[in-house]
Amino acid sequence: GENVEQHPSTLSVQEGDSAVIKCTYSDSASNYFPWYKQELGKRPQLIIDIRSNVGEKKDQRIAVTLNKTAKHFSLHITETQPEDSAVYFCAASNRQDDKIIFGKGTRLHILP
Amino acid sequence: DTAVSQTPKYLVTQMGNDKSIKCEQNLGHDTMYWYKQDSKKFLKIMFSYNNKELIINETVPNRFSPKSPDKAHLNLHINSLELGDSAVYFCASSQAGLGNTIYFGEGSWLTVV
Repeated sequence: GENVEQHPSTLSVQEGDSAVIKCTYSDSASNYFPWYKQELGKRPQLIIDIRSNVGEKKDQRIAVTLNKTAKHFSLHITETQPEDSAVYFCAASNRQDDKIIFGKGTRLHILP
Repeated sequence: DTAVSQTPKYLVTQMGNDKSIKCEQNLGHDTMYWYKQDSKKFLKIMFSYNNKELIINETVPNRFSPKSPDKAHLNLHINSLELGDSAVYFCASSQAGLGNTIYFGEGSWLTVV
């Protein structure tokens, strides 16, 4: 089955700097890669996703890149703000069973 | 209008008890899930139902029994609760098919004492 590894587990960046979170997946059949943000005490919510026919996708300050050959994908947050502090989860899914497997999460701290 | 709602939000109970968590979605989705989030924040899928049929059942103890009376509801019943069952349980739903966003409920905080 699919296995998703996520790094780092904790990340602290100065406000205004960029943050990068990286994930790898094991199942070459996976072709959908969403990213979720979970604020303290709240539910995970989708912030961006990418499909395997696209190498990069951007939405304002966040972007995701996908390298299918290497089986890794990354989340980039630019000009970080205090409200970006949260736990971020990457995930991978394939067409066969709709099972979305999550990485273990990255706790992002934005330092003032 | 809460899209995915689950009750109760907080539950404190003693070891050995049986408890249920209810979930309802008003999004018209075909697929519903239960995820468990432990103290380390790991999100693990437990079950997935598509149109009332079980399609994913991870290695979850058989003390956990999901029930889907219709495609808008997926309840979770837990027998003989153990300390290790303490976690946040998230119900979620999505429209069947690849690449459809999973919408999570607010979570049910279960504490077994």
